[in-house]
Amino acid sequence: QSALTQPASVSGSPGQSITISCTGTSSDVGNYNLVSWYQQHPGKVPKLMIYEGSKRPSGVSNRFSGSKSGNTASLTISGLQAEDEADYHCCSYAGRSSWVFGGGTKLTV
Amino acid sequence: EVQLVQSGAEVKKPGESLKISCKGSGYSFTNYWIGWVRQMPGKGLEWMGNIYPGDSDTRYSPPFRGQVTISADRSISTAYLQWNSLKASDTATYYCARPLAEVSGAYIDLWGQGTLVTVSS
Repeated sequence: QSALTQPASVSGSPGQSITISCTGTSSDVGNYNLVSWYQQHPGKVPKLMIYEGSKRPSGVSNRFSGSKSGNTASLTISGLQAEDEADYHCCSYAGRSSWVFGGGTKLTV
Repeated sequence: EVQLVQSGAEVKKPGESLKISCKGSGYSFTNYWIGWVRQMPGKGLEWMGNIYPGDSDTRYSPPFRGQVTISADRSISTAYLQWNSLKASDTATYYCARPLAEVSGAYIDLWGQGTLVTVSS
């Protein structure tokens, strides 16, 4: 399977909202509602922010939300804060116990 | 505590072999997949493959098939990622991760701390 497609970078001002897209195919994103999103600060281990497309783990701010339309999943961050500046990676289940990541998006606040 | 603990950083020369490890603790190691994820310097995450220690069922992402070997020793709750002949392009941080099964949401709920592998002559 090929990597999912994410924009290389997005930016926003504090308080604004941004959306990061993650485009796959009908074999992964389009076929399963099993996209997860991870936040990664420099030198740190990725942190789960969204799972099953739109669910937030305990402790994750409700400023983070996820959605999906067709073969494209999206992560929206509202009320941007300086601490949100990080890399964001999407990941989709691709069937038969396999997974695929996107290329990652650098968010600048 | 539920955790994955990886082996330490490695510095190798091109052509050398290497095996890095990931030890699981605090949970039933044989009942969960363990995956390996590559992150080249300044780049995104790449899924390399995964193994189910319970029966050693192993899956490889196409770009990594034939390039690495994933294995596990369930008697010591440890998974491995192995290279027979390293290349400079293998320089990266490698994470082990625990992805949940499809029926449980198929997301990664546990990460190792990462192992930096540097390949340089």
